Amino acid sequence: GAGVSQSPSNKVTEKGKDVELRCDPISGHTALYWYRQSLGQGLEFLIYFQGNSAPDKSGLPSDRFSAERTGGSVSTLTIQRTQQEDSAVYLCASRTTGTDTQYFGPGTRLTVL
Amino acid sequence: SQQGEEDPQALSIQEGENATMNCSYKTSINNLQWYRQNSGRGLVHLILIRSNEREKHSGRLRVTLDTSKKSSSLLITASRAADTASYFCATADQGAQKLVFGQGTRLTINP
Repeated sequence: GAGVSQSPSNKVTEKGKDVELRCDPISGHTALYWYRQSLGQGLEFLIYFQGNSAPDKSGLPSDRFSAERTGGSVSTLTIQRTQQEDSAVYLCASRTTGTDTQYFGPGTRLTVL
Repeated sequence: SQQGEEDPQALSIQEGENATMNCSYKTSINNLQWYRQNSGRGLVHLILIRSNEREKHSGRLRVTLDTSKKSSSLLITASRAADTASYFCATADQGAQKLVFGQGTRLTINP
């Protein structure tokens, strides 16, 4: 079956603009994760969804970052008033109930000018 | 913040040789996973080892886990040019859902 998909694959934006990043998890996977990979910070957890609820938002770096998930499927990560330090690859992963393996999408490379 | 450290940060070997990467972590874990990343994009899951396991094999991969030393190693045998990539270990804490990654090892296989 299809893997995790993310869109867009690349996004270039100007400082101060809002951006939305999309993740389509593997069908039937109830758990969904967002991570960020940047040169200075490595791979960092952002937020975890179980169904449409987000029991762990501890990794969101500021209130400019938010995420939602609808219908237990697609998730959107929104970054408001982007800053240059938000430039990174944003990775989404999903996992099915009863297993520990997370399957990652190809990521969205965000560049804030 | 990073859970642990990987060693070495970069490794360059000849095709056909074995490659060993090490990972250390700081807290009690439920499991430890190894991922591969090509060209700085998506992560490919390689193998998962649980805290009550000491060694696991998958094809040319062998993973060990020493919970007393809070360390793991990934051995790739008979390396191929296609194994050139970055390799990350990731731990899942007891009761936690998120993965905490090491900073990775950049492996280069020379033909």
